[in-house]
Amino acid sequence: DTGVSQNPRHKITKRGQNVTFRCDPISEHNRLYWYRQTLGQGPEFLTYFQNEAQLEKSRLLSDRFSAERPKGSFSTLEIQRTEQGDSAMYLCASSSGTALDTQYFGPGTRLTVL
Amino acid sequence: DQQVKQNSPSLSVQEGRISILNCDYTNSMFDYFLWYKKYPAEGPTFLISISSIKDKNEDGRFTVFLNKSAKHLSLHIVPSQPGDSAVYFCAASALVRGSTLGRLYFGRGTQLTVWP
Repeated sequence: DTGVSQNPRHKITKRGQNVTFRCDPISEHNRLYWYRQTLGQGPEFLTYFQNEAQLEKSRLLSDRFSAERPKGSFSTLEIQRTEQGDSAMYLCASSSGTALDTQYFGPGTRLTVL
Repeated sequence: DQQVKQNSPSLSVQEGRISILNCDYTNSMFDYFLWYKKYPAEGPTFLISISSIKDKNEDGRFTVFLNKSAKHLSLHIVPSQPGDSAVYFCAASALVRGSTLGRLYFGRGTQLTVWP
């Protein structure tokens, strides 16, 4: 399978705990995006990388959120001191970074904060 | 502020008929528009796209129409099949530094149900 993969698929945690999600993009894609989707809403942009460089961050990405892509391949999204409002589906997408390219999404990580 | 709007939360169509899903946008800087299909507990799956320099793009049973003056696009599925039942998201993006696309802006989605 050469699509975008995300791990874990599901995460249940208690409020105040830290969680980390991983995304492996399509191998030749140099752009990687993180989105968050809550019930009844479309995906909302969080941040994106071109290779190792984080080029844009949404105001949705509070100080408790940090994303990295250290070698320009996989990426991690960490949420510190989780809150119940962080419960959502966290989606990763990748694209080739060429003109008019398409973002391809992974299956997502469902986070539930108790 | 919702820059991409899907005003119909649901649509029900009989198998074999045409499904028309609508989408409106407010940002005239958008250059590229996409439709994604999403099943429960899965990520969005890319369906079809259209550049702002075109007004129509067709791929098999799926056709997307773009009306830039009205800031409106629609997805036509014909004939509709029960397997098309899913949530459909409209998304838009703008060129960054004139060369590549940036983030996607999504609508809230339309639940399509195709019944036999």
